[in-house]
Amino acid sequence: DSGVTQTPKHLITATGQRVTLRCSPRSGDLSVYWYQQSLDQGLQFLIQYYNGEERAKGNILERFSAQQFPDLHSELNLSSLELGDSALYFCASSPGNLNSPLHFGNGTRLTVT
Amino acid sequence: GESVGLHLPTLSVQEGDNSIINCAYSNSASDYFIWYKQESGKGPQFIIDIRSNMDKRQGQRVTVLLNKTVKHLSLQIAATQPGDSAVYFCAENSAGGTSYGKLTFGQGTILTVHP
Repeated sequence: DSGVTQTPKHLITATGQRVTLRCSPRSGDLSVYWYQQSLDQGLQFLIQYYNGEERAKGNILERFSAQQFPDLHSELNLSSLELGDSALYFCASSPGNLNSPLHFGNGTRLTVT
Repeated sequence: GESVGLHLPTLSVQEGDNSIINCAYSNSASDYFIWYKQESGKGPQFIIDIRSNMDKRQGQRVTVLLNKTVKHLSLQIAATQPGDSAVYFCAENSAGGTSYGKLTFGQGTILTVHP
């Protein structure tokens, strides 16, 4: 068990809809990261938050947004969903202030129909 | 653009054999490398890491080798067990102090261990 909790595990929704994915980091970790895993793109970095502030952005679509709350949990919001957004979305956490391993949750599998 | 690893190869070994999984990276500025194991239905699980000022690091049954000259990373698993069957990813951090977790992942290698 990595200590990173993601909910829900599965999400099925229709095109055009909006969903929210939730992540609780490991105790003591200040940084959360969101990654997308699809068959054709592999694991792609989306965005990082550190202690409530956005730290780095990857190839995150404008339809996607995230935030980290004062209790350090994070949410990833995906809107105007398209079929191509179907993927596994992983959250990871780390102390964030040095090179150290990221610890991943078990992901949310999003299916857009 | 920056990339780590190759297209998804497969490696099939017998239980008890040693396994070697390879990874090529392209960014010479990368200073931190990690190997992850991913089992079906789970998130990537940390195996071992290495910093660019090292060329070898050992863990329990695993060894990571880093060759900066040819930008190559390898993971050696000793006495491979069926429970080692999974997809293995290498990842690099080239963002340095701007983001310690902005990792670039390789495409992965499927390891299958036969009893």
